[in-house]
Amino acid sequence: AQSVAQPEDQVNVAEGNPLTVKCTYSVSGNPYLFWYVQYPNRGLQFLLKYITGDNLVKGSYGFEAEFNKSQTSFHLKKPSALVSDSALYFCAVRDDNYGQNFVFGPGTRLSVLP
Amino acid sequence: KAGVTQTPRYLIKTRGQQVTLSCSPISGHRSVSWYQQTPGQGLQFLFEYFSETQRNKGNFPGRFSGRQFSNSRSEMNVSTLELGDSALYLCASSLHLGMGTSGGYEQYFGPGTRLTVT
Repeated sequence: AQSVAQPEDQVNVAEGNPLTVKCTYSVSGNPYLFWYVQYPNRGLQFLLKYITGDNLVKGSYGFEAEFNKSQTSFHLKKPSALVSDSALYFCAVRDDNYGQNFVFGPGTRLSVLP
Repeated sequence: KAGVTQTPRYLIKTRGQQVTLSCSPISGHRSVSWYQQTPGQGLQFLFEYFSETQRNKGNFPGRFSGRQFSNSRSEMNVSTLELGDSALYLCASSLHLGMGTSGGYEQYFGPGTRLTVT
């Protein structure tokens, strides 16, 4: 079975500092990994994905994520946080060897303090 | 290109009633998925449709059903509503072509339908 864990319910970071939102996954086959962001009363917005190739992927709004196969992790990062980055972040995985549906993590609430 | 649209945006129903939610995917997207989002359970997968066929189903009771039309628009229905059905229901579309093909296509989400059951 496929699963996604986001070990931190809440991450607080000062504006201008780097941020990291953690994600680990478990799949039986090759993972397709995604990050989404959700602002209050809105649907989820796609940020970036890892399919294959370079382990460091770059996405929208200056976010990037690093795929680490040995640690089964896909942490989201940004070099300099903005107050407007405050939102709920979801990691998701899709495994071609299992059912094909997305599995989402529980979400991490990011608060960027001015 | 227009995004995923969902109607209605807000809905208040009484226990025991039924409800139908509608989703129009991005033009050209043939895969539509539905999710239930609650503070306690997070995002839970309901079902996925591709070319009018249900390809995947989550662990929800039979009161939850859906369908997809030939133009890829989708509806989900919840019968005999319970208080615990109160949630944000999200629809997402993608270019995904179904089981056996690449799962690397991202999903694009609509704004959701906020269902309140009283």
